[in-house]
Amino acid sequence: QVQLVQSGAEVKKPGASVRVSCKASGYTFTNYDINWVRQATGQGLEWMGWMNPYTGNTGIAQKFQDRVTMTRNTSIGTAYMDLSSLTSEDTAVYYCARYLNDYSNLYWFDPWGQGTLVTVSS
Amino acid sequence: DIQMTQSPSSLSASVGDRVTITCRASQSISTYLNWYQQKPGKAPKVLISAVSSLQRGVPSRFSGSGSGTEFTLTISSLQPEDCATYYCQQTYRTPRTFGQGTNLEIK
Repeated sequence: QVQLVQSGAEVKKPGASVRVSCKASGYTFTNYDINWVRQATGQGLEWMGWMNPYTGNTGIAQKFQDRVTMTRNTSIGTAYMDLSSLTSEDTAVYYCARYLNDYSNLYWFDPWGQGTLVTVSS
Repeated sequence: DIQMTQSPSSLSASVGDRVTITCRASQSISTYLNWYQQKPGKAPKVLISAVSSLQRGVPSRFSGSGSGTEFTLTISSLQPEDCATYYCQQTYRTPRTFGQGTNLEIK
């Protein structure tokens, strides 16, 4: 079945960087964009950006443009999201999600990875 | 950026009730509107795409409607397993923004 499996929880100190991975299975990895979304505890969903696994092109939300890098390794069907200069405000669950569309080119996120908790604490 | 505003932010209803959640966009988004359900400790799951297309496996008591700037998610007969937070999302423009969520509780 189609699924995205993310890397495990991370604990980082302020100022550090973190890498979250998202491994795709059950479909052709390069056929669909991957989006990244984060959710602070008890808060809503915040879109961070997208990556085209075929071209490597990305689109990062303005809020994260100087701190987020999205990359991929097509040989192993895995997308990566790197977030630098971490602060306590970055403590959140980070999700990857496939960008799926229908014949009318209307798009939605499905499936989602299980989420990766990143905790930033001194 | 397109702002998505849901109402209410929370609601409590009884099993069997008809429940409606509204989502308003700050500008027209045509039919680029999706609904997700999130249960505690779990990833969101798409319920409805493109305003009204029910995803495979989603019970038919869920339905969506609207266009332009105003959209609704309706649960025709609330079930205990529908206790969750519901989010709308626009994919008309980046950033692909979400509503703030509606926390649905069962009385």
